[in-house]
Amino acid sequence: EDQVTQSPEALRLQEGESSSLNCSYTVSGLRGLFWYRQDPGKGPEFLFTLYSAGEEKEKERLKATLTKKESFLHITAPKPEDSATYLCAVRGSSYKLIFGSGTRLLVRP
Amino acid sequence: EAGVAQSPRYKIIEKRQSVAFWCNPISGHATLYWYQQILGQGPKLLIQFQNNGVVDDSQLPKDRFSAERLKGVDSTLKIQPAKLEDSAVYLCASSLGDREGETQYFGPGTRLLVL
Repeated sequence: EDQVTQSPEALRLQEGESSSLNCSYTVSGLRGLFWYRQDPGKGPEFLFTLYSAGEEKEKERLKATLTKKESFLHITAPKPEDSATYLCAVRGSSYKLIFGSGTRLLVRP
Repeated sequence: EAGVAQSPRYKIIEKRQSVAFWCNPISGHATLYWYQQILGQGPKLLIQFQNNGVVDDSQLPKDRFSAERLKGVDSTLKIQPAKLEDSAVYLCASSLGDREGETQYFGPGTRLLVL
């Protein structure tokens, strides 16, 4: 069964304090690992898709990386506007998106 | 480009009542998804449509939930009768097709509270 575990559940950072969020997964036949950002009261907003181990993608202060068992979302010098819940999802041979429970990030000024 | 539209944004009902949610996907997107997101959890797929047809409804509680997508565009999700445990955010998403790695775009969701 495809499974996604995200850690930590919650993370508090000072503005400018870099850190990483973890997404561990088990999936049969990876057909994409997705990162989404979700603000309170809104739907998930697409950030990245990664397809194979070693792949990296960047967007502003965010960089996503992928290995055969996990993905990391690195946040460099975060700002308060980066505060949100970050969701990881995998798509395997069933073609369904399986989501983790998310990491709630709070960046304090 | 307009995003996925959903209505209503909020709904409060009593248990055993019925409720319906509406979704209009991004123009040209053939695939439409309904997800349930319980507080503190990630979204869980309820049903997937490809044009008019159902691709996957394996996790839809069919004794109380139903969904349709007429003319391959708009979709409605209905709950009848509602239970307390149905309190959640119902998210609609759409994508161009159902190809490998394809991105799903989400609407703002409908927040349902069952009392």
